[in-house]
Parts: sequence; C-alpha cells; structure tokens
Amino acid sequence: NAGVMQNPRHLVRRRGQEARLRCSPMKGHSHVYWYRQLPEEGLKFMVYLQKENIIDESGMPKERFSAEFPKEGPSILRIQQVVRGDSAAYFCASSPNTGSGANVLTFGAGSRLTVL
Amino acid sequence: RKEVEQDPGPFNVPEGATVAFNCTYSNSASQSFFWYRQDCRKEPKLLMSVYSSGNEDGRFTAQLNRASQYISLLIRDSKLSDSATYLCVVGTSGGSYIPTFGRGTSLIVHP
Repeated sequence: NAGVMQNPRHLVRRRGQEARLRCSPMKGHSHVYWYRQLPEEGLKFMVYLQKENIIDESGMPKERFSAEFPKEGPSILRIQQVVRGDSAAYFCASSPNTGSGANVLTFGAGSRLTVL
Repeated sequence: RKEVEQDPGPFNVPEGATVAFNCTYSNSASQSFFWYRQDCRKEPKLLMSVYSSGNEDGRFTAQLNRASQYISLLIRDSKLSDSATYLCVVGTSGGSYIPTFGRGTSLIVHP
C-alpha cells in the first residue's frame, strides 16, 4: 500500500503561470481532501471530493482555483495565474468511505509551490 | 472565535518532563476529535483519536470534555523525538464531513 501520493513535491512557477498539483489517494480510499498551509500557519481546508463529485468547496478561493477527481486518475488541484501569495504547501489527504477509520485522514507528503 | 484554538507555544521542556496541551472548539455539534503530529516541513500524521472516555497510548493520554468543548493531550516522560508541532483536529458534519485543524502547538524537548 503506497499511501497517499502527491506530485510534484516541489513546483516553481512565475507569476501568471498555471500550477497543477496531483494526488492519488490510498488504495481503497474514495474521499480526497485538499488543505493549504502557509508558512508558520495552520492547515486550511480547501475542498473535499469524491470520484467525479465536488462535495464541499467552501474553502476554495472564488477565482483561479479549481479541483477535480475524475473517474480515472488522480485528483488535481489547479491554480491559474498564480500570484506570490499562492506560495504554500498544499497537502492532500484521503479517507475510506466506511469503517472505523472513516473519519481519519491520511496525508500525502505535500506539494510545495513557490511563485517567483 | 476560531473554530479550533490552540496555544501556539512553543513549549520548551527538558527530557523526562510531563507536558500538557489544550485545545478548544466552537462547534458543539462536532463529532470526531484527533491529535496529529507534524514535523518540520513534513505532512501531519495521526497521533491518536480522542474519545469521551479518554484514551491512552503509551506515554500519551488524550481527553475530551464535550460540555466544555475542550480537548487535551498529555505527554509523559518527554523524549527528544517528541519535538514537533501537535495539531488538534475536530471533525464536523454539516452536510459534509470536514476536519478542521488548529494552528498547532510547538513542543521543543531539550537534553
């Protein structure tokens, strides 16, 4: 069981470019969460997805940010026209649908975005 | 009022000390409670779940007080390797289940 896989681990973009962050949940997990962590700050919820559905995106900025979790392939967090304030660590977490661990999140190693 | 509040610390303690962290949450309908540990520039990892009856795992003891909306973590006989940030996590379902993280409490254990 490979755990939650995120890539790229490090991404550097210039202002105005696009960033795409990918997340493959643990085997058997159908729920994916994305969190953002700014330097010296806590984790802030962004979006919660299941396959082909956005369940809750109340933490997503209204513009430039989008997320998807297609039927096949990883979940993707997309940031268009990046600005310096987007520089952060983006963590993906997954959880199983049912069972005693249904509410427990397992995190990937994170993707660190730096905007120049 | 923030949804999940923690004293950011840092707590600076010698090896062998006992240290306690507290966390308060604002939503009385919250249903799941956890402590996670995060090392510098790493991902958060589950330390333990927290139950109303309290639970213990080796040197770690977690308590939940629903009436006061308060969660605690006690670490006995601190080790150098316990140095990390401890995150209080509260899960609430208001239609969808969303775990909310506190900002974390920093612990530094020194020789």
